Amino acid sequence: AQSVTQLDSQVPVFEEAPVELRCNYSSSVSVYLFWYVQYPNQGLQLLLKYLSGSTLVKGINGFEAEFNKSQTSFHLRKPSVHISDTAEYFCAVRKQRAGNNRKLIWGLGTSLAVNP
Amino acid sequence: GAGVSQSPRYKVAKRGQDVALRCDPISGHVSLFWYQQALGQGPEFLTYFQNEAQLDKSGLPSDRFFAERPEGSVSTLKIQRTQQEDSAVYLCASSPGGGSGTEAFFGQGTRLTVV
Repeated sequence: AQSVTQLDSQVPVFEEAPVELRCNYSSSVSVYLFWYVQYPNQGLQLLLKYLSGSTLVKGINGFEAEFNKSQTSFHLRKPSVHISDTAEYFCAVRKQRAGNNRKLIWGLGTSLAVNP
Repeated sequence: GAGVSQSPRYKVAKRGQDVALRCDPISGHVSLFWYQQALGQGPEFLTYFQNEAQLDKSGLPSDRFFAERPEGSVSTLKIQRTQQEDSAVYLCASSPGGGSGTEAFFGQGTRLTVV
């Protein structure tokens, strides 16, 4: 079975500061990794995903994440945040060889609050 | 439409009432998923369709929950005899094909409150 741990439930940060949202996962098989963002009253939107290849993945809105297989981590980073980045961020995994088991396994989310 | 559409956006049900939640996926998308998101939690998988076939229903919490996608497009999640613990946001997602790495596109969800 797979599990996802987001190490911080809330992250307050000032505008234009860097931010890192931490995600660790547990799985006995190879997985794909995803970060989604949920703005207030909106649906989940994909920020970025790691499928294979380069371990540094760039996504939308200036976000990037690095896959670290030895540490089973997939931390999300942004060098300079904006007020508009205030949202809930979710890390998720899915088995690579899924067969009919294509579900995403999610963390509990990290609430990013960007203050002026 | 341009995205995944769910209706209604909000539903208040009295305990014991039956409810039906609708999902219109992106046109042509093969895969469709339902998730349940309780307040302050991450989404939890309920069920998965590939076209009209329900290939995984392992996440449905009880036999009061039933989902269908009869023509391989629109899907309905039905909850019978609703209980307070069913209060949550129900999310629908669709993806273009069966590949494991393909992105899932989410609707805005239906917020169900059972009183």
